[in-house]
Amino acid sequence: AQTVTQSQPEMSVQEAETVTLSCTYDTSESDYYLFWYKQPPSRQMILVIRQEAYKQQNATENRFSVNFQKAAKSFSLKISDSQLGDAAMYFCAYRSSNTGNQFYFGTGTSLTVIP
Amino acid sequence: KAGVTQTPRYLIKTRGQQVTLSCSPISGHRSVSWYQQTPGQGLQFLFEYFSETQRNKGNFPGRFSGRQFSNSRSEMNVSTLELGDSALYLCASSPSGQTTDTQYFGPGTRLTVL
Repeated sequence: AQTVTQSQPEMSVQEAETVTLSCTYDTSESDYYLFWYKQPPSRQMILVIRQEAYKQQNATENRFSVNFQKAAKSFSLKISDSQLGDAAMYFCAYRSSNTGNQFYFGTGTSLTVIP
Repeated sequence: KAGVTQTPRYLIKTRGQQVTLSCSPISGHRSVSWYQQTPGQGLQFLFEYFSETQRNKGNFPGRFSGRQFSNSRSEMNVSTLELGDSALYLCASSPSGQTTDTQYFGPGTRLTVL
């Protein structure tokens, strides 16, 4: 089974600064999808950004961008101009193109934004 | 469109009882997946339903079961509850369950087993 590793249980960032959350994964597949989800204290998971493995270009969504290194099996999330509302648990997730809709999640990184 | 809804939001049960959780997907979505979230194990996939058929199943005991109705609403049942079943249960819906889809999560049901 695929595994997803988030090695930073907790991170903090000053408001308006930039922070990078790390994620690595293990797979033998060549075609897959990667996601970052955000789970605020209210517990509703929200999609932040997604990346298709076949795309070399890194995905970007406003202040959120990823650094996708396929050979290194690394998928980090960069949050620019951090805001108080960015404080949440962030989960990295992997989905194979072969196993339907099953997501494999990392253990999460709790992000604190310091005013 | 309304988001994914889950009922009830909170449940307290005792060991040995059974429980049924409900999930209503976003209108038009036909795929519903269920996840168990615990502090120790993180998010773990339970199963996925599409067009009333279980299409994918995670590594959970047979006490965990589910079903999907013709209107795509899904229920998850846990029989003979154990203390370790205490968790946040999340459901997620997507249009067709294809790998190109994005999953949209509900707020979860917090189950406490005493």
